[in-house]
Amino acid sequence: RKEVEQDPGPFNVPEGATVAFNCTYSNSASQSFFWYRQDCRKEPKLLMSVYSSGNEDGRFTAQLNRASQYISLLIRDSKLSDSATYLCVCNTGKLIFGQGTTLQVKP
Amino acid sequence: DGGITQSPKYLFRKEGQNVTLSCEQNLNHDAMYWYRQDPGQGLRLIYYSQIVNDFQKGDIAEGYSVSREKKESFPLTVTSAQKNPTAFYLCASSIRGFETQYFGPGTRLLVL
Repeated sequence: RKEVEQDPGPFNVPEGATVAFNCTYSNSASQSFFWYRQDCRKEPKLLMSVYSSGNEDGRFTAQLNRASQYISLLIRDSKLSDSATYLCVCNTGKLIFGQGTTLQVKP
Repeated sequence: DGGITQSPKYLFRKEGQNVTLSCEQNLNHDAMYWYRQDPGQGLRLIYYSQIVNDFQKGDIAEGYSVSREKKESFPLTVTSAQKNPTAFYLCASSIRGFETQYFGPGTRLLVL
């Protein structure tokens, strides 16, 4: 079993839609979590850090469920520019990256 | 502007050749990291350094070597022992070890 698992997608949604990605992790001692955004052939860029139950930044909301060992990323009012791959990352003392979930927002 | 730079953007390696990828940061971060990304896979840690003149192996260190002689610089050498080097190589840094990491633009290594 992978330490961090994500549905690779792709998730194809229309502009304005709300979309949610889940990420499950196996190490219950994970201390903190991150969501990174990665555009095609570019480096990952930090989207959000999650240290407790969740975090919200504009249209983006991350929620952490320690009992079930998953974190989610909710994107409201999707924009064309949100099209990217979203990487889930767990801090177990080192950062463990999921393979990413690809989002394609269509006009 | 503070940030992380990597060079070159593309690198071609011949069989049996060692190549070195450059990574420089001016963020005054103590920790630096090298990752490898292959299609459809998550980033995998090659080496990391939490302080100057010290570094540790990550999960896939075989065939790679690093040095950390200066706080700002963490070059990665891909040796001829690395049999499958074609990948996207990403350098990152953080204020301290394994906190929020910031990435450079990456180097794509291709084998001729």
